[in-house]
Amino acid sequence: QVQLQESGPGLVKPSGTLSLTCAVSGGSISSSNWWNWVRQTPGKGLEWIGEIFHGGNTNYNPSLKSRVTISVDKSMNQFSLELTSVTAADTAVYFCARGGRGFDYWGQGTLVTVSS
Amino acid sequence: DIQMTQSPSSLSASVGDRVTITCRASQSVSSSLNWYQQKPGKAPKVLIYAASSLQSGVPSRFSGSGSGTDFTLTISSLQPEDFATYYCQQSYRTPFTFGGGTRVEIK
Repeated sequence: QVQLQESGPGLVKPSGTLSLTCAVSGGSISSSNWWNWVRQTPGKGLEWIGEIFHGGNTNYNPSLKSRVTISVDKSMNQFSLELTSVTAADTAVYFCARGGRGFDYWGQGTLVTVSS
Repeated sequence: DIQMTQSPSSLSASVGDRVTITCRASQSVSSSLNWYQQKPGKAPKVLIYAASSLQSGVPSRFSGSGSGTDFTLTISSLQPEDFATYYCQQSYRTPFTFGGGTRVEIK
């Protein structure tokens, strides 16, 4: 059974960088799946941030592209999200998810608050 | 971006009712349409993928139909555990986009 687990700071200062990691267990990140980041806010609902393949290919949401980097660490079987120049609008629950038959496996989500 | 519009945004129903939720895409997404269920404090769970394929382990009372721009999620007989929020999502083209959600409440 594939499991995903997000980790990272729950509080980030405005203009700072949000950094999260998603650890994958029960399966290999080098499988034929894309690995995704999704966030959820009460105001904007579910928003897809971007995805990465184990070879390093990425796709990003154009609305965030200038601030987002998604990377993969095959040795650690995990992938990561960096979002720069954050504002209060980036406060959200961040999920990692596997792309398969839809997004078929999700982490439990982690709340990141942007505040001084 | 492809816009996904769900209706209704909320509904009240009783156990045993047949429930239908619709999702419309701003352009054709072929059959690349997925449905999720989300309960408070939890991650979304995929119910239907590729418009009409039932995800393994999901009860058969859930079904999906449609192609192109118009899609439907049907719950044939609503059960107590089905009270949740439902989202559609297109996986046809990046950026992948979600509908605004349909909250199913107890009447």
